Amino acid sequence: RKEVEQDPGPFNVPEGATVAFNCTYSNSASQSFFWYRQDCRKEPKLLMSVYSSGNEDGRFTAQLNRASQYISLLIRDSKLSDSATYLCVFTGGGNKLTFGTGTQLKVEL
Amino acid sequence: DTAVSQTPKYLVTQMGNDKSIKCEQNLGHDTMYWYKQDSKKFLKIMFSYNNKELIINETVPNRFSPKSPDKAHLNLHINSLELGDSAVYFCASSQARTGDFNEQFFGPGTRLTVL
Repeated sequence: RKEVEQDPGPFNVPEGATVAFNCTYSNSASQSFFWYRQDCRKEPKLLMSVYSSGNEDGRFTAQLNRASQYISLLIRDSKLSDSATYLCVFTGGGNKLTFGTGTQLKVEL
Repeated sequence: DTAVSQTPKYLVTQMGNDKSIKCEQNLGHDTMYWYKQDSKKFLKIMFSYNNKELIINETVPNRFSPKSPDKAHLNLHINSLELGDSAVYFCASSQARTGDFNEQFFGPGTRLTVL
């Protein structure tokens, strides 16, 4: 089983739609979880951390389910500018990040 | 004011050549990293330096040699380039506080093409 698995997509959604991505991880010792965003031909940037209690940042909601070993990202009211690849990331402690291969989102008019 | 910068942005070279990529950060961070993103977009850490000392060294061929002259710079030298080295190489930096995760800031990437 891969360390982290994501549906590569692409997810094609109309503007205003709600879209959700999941990411599963295999290492139960993983400690910290994040969603990064990567625009085409650009560097990854931290979107948000993910906490067991769930956390929200504007239109974005992230959740962690340790029992089932997955994290999720929900985007409400999608904007054209949300089009990007969303990378699931975790660390086992310290600063070594393990990245998923990403889920591509395309928001269309 | 670029926080993490890399040069060159694009690098096209022949197999067998030796090349270097430079990285500089002006964030005052103690820790710097090199990542490789291959054609399948898989981003994987290669090395990490904390205050000029190597702290992460993944299973990378020894043709790759990082060098950190000071904590603001982490360069990557690659000997005897191979076709499979073609990828985008990202430099990143973060604070070195223990405990909670410290956000990593990435440079714009260097797109290396080996012919």
